[in-house]
Amino acid sequence: DIQMTQSPSSLSASVGDRVTITCRASQTISTYLNWYQQTPGKAPKLLVYAASTLASGVPSRFSGNGSGTEFTLTVTSLQPEDSATYYCQQSSSTPLTFGGGTKVEIK
Amino acid sequence: QVTLRESGPALVKPTQTLTLTCTFSGFSLSTSEMCVTWIRQPPGKALEWLAVIDWEDDKYYSTSLASRLTISKDTSKNQVVLTLTNVDPVDTGTYYCARIHLKYTDYDGYYYQGLDVWGQGTTVTVSS
Repeated sequence: DIQMTQSPSSLSASVGDRVTITCRASQTISTYLNWYQQTPGKAPKLLVYAASTLASGVPSRFSGNGSGTEFTLTVTSLQPEDSATYYCQQSSSTPLTFGGGTKVEIK
Repeated sequence: QVTLRESGPALVKPTQTLTLTCTFSGFSLSTSEMCVTWIRQPPGKALEWLAVIDWEDDKYYSTSLASRLTISKDTSKNQVVLTLTNVDPVDTGTYYCARIHLKYTDYDGYYYQGLDVWGQGTTVTVSS
């Protein structure tokens, strides 16, 4: 199975800050990497697919980058509504696997 | 508009079999590229992928749960059913179904896209 490791596991930042979350795969997955945002009590929402393509309706302050084994999700100007847990997920091969999540809190 | 909705028992006793149904609309599981997948989330923990079924009835499972999981589809009813046998309290959590596309490229072969539409989830507690 491909293991996905996210860092940090949590972070606290202020409104307007630039925030970056990293996801590493245990083997190369090309650009078959997706990012999700989950707020408490809600289902996850697709943010970025194929490493860098924003899903429909996702604000442009979100961006994804990377290929191979290392990927990043960046929020260029953090907003209060971005307080959530973010997950990466590889879709290169089954079993599909998720990272452990990064909880983003607003100071 | 694509929607998915999970249904099933809220409470299951240890050693019993859990059966969950995903009822969807807005797409057909007989259409090329279409798949439905299940994911679960224990309270306060990360997402865990469980299984996927595609339009050709190919099925894939989590390595650790493969011996206990079965996924099936009823295309005429727009439903996907997941069964988990011999449940234990560690199986407690919220279970989600989601739509996913299976794509093909000449250089990479088949690959899945992101889980683009999710159900709201159904909470299952395993307790005696």
